[in-house]
Amino acid sequence: QVQLQESGPGLVKPSETLSLTCTVSGDSISSYYWSWIRQPPGKGLEWIGYMFYGGSTIYNPSLKSRVTISIDASKNQFSLMLSSVTAADTAVYYCARDAPSSGWAYWGQGIPVTVSS
Amino acid sequence: QSALTQPPSASGSPGQSVTISCTGTSSDVGGYNYVSWYQQHPGKAPKLMISEVSKRPSGVPDRFSGSKSGNTASLTVSGLQAEDEADYYCNSYAGNNNWVFGGGTKLTVL
Repeated sequence: QVQLQESGPGLVKPSETLSLTCTVSGDSISSYYWSWIRQPPGKGLEWIGYMFYGGSTIYNPSLKSRVTISIDASKNQFSLMLSSVTAADTAVYYCARDAPSSGWAYWGQGIPVTVSS
Repeated sequence: QSALTQPPSASGSPGQSVTISCTGTSSDVGGYNYVSWYQQHPGKAPKLMISEVSKRPSGVPDRFSGSKSGNTASLTVSGLQAEDEADYYCNSYAGNNNWVFGGGTKLTVL
């Protein structure tokens, strides 16, 4: 059974870069698409982006200029970097397996990130 | 403002059926058969309930069904149970490598 676990700092200062990692167990990271989704406190879900190992990355147009998703196959991990963060980027960040076309069937538990000085 | 419109709330009594709508445009819901539905209990990660308009993943009760007519997709929960009380979100492809969510619907089992 595939399991995903997010990790990273829970507090990031405004204008800095948010950096999160998702560790995958039970699946080879080279076999699927991998996604990031976020949810601001008390609000709905927002898709951030996804990628396939060795393939292209697809980003939400509203975040594209600030987002980078990458995969480290040697560690079976994938990462999210979001630059120039503001308070509006405060959210629970989820990693998930698959592209949105097939639906995200496997999710991490989520990691809350607060942007504050 | 969310790209897809969902009613903020819905409710039904145990055993009843309830339908949650997700309204978009011909550029998203109406243009593609890539609508999925997610259930989210408080403090938990979302759970995929329906993909590609009407496909139910393994393990999802057949009480949950999805459909689409024009620019509106729907999730129907039949035989409501207490554990169905949760937030529900729809998601659709919107073209040009973009995906959009609805604002979510809080389902209450009375």
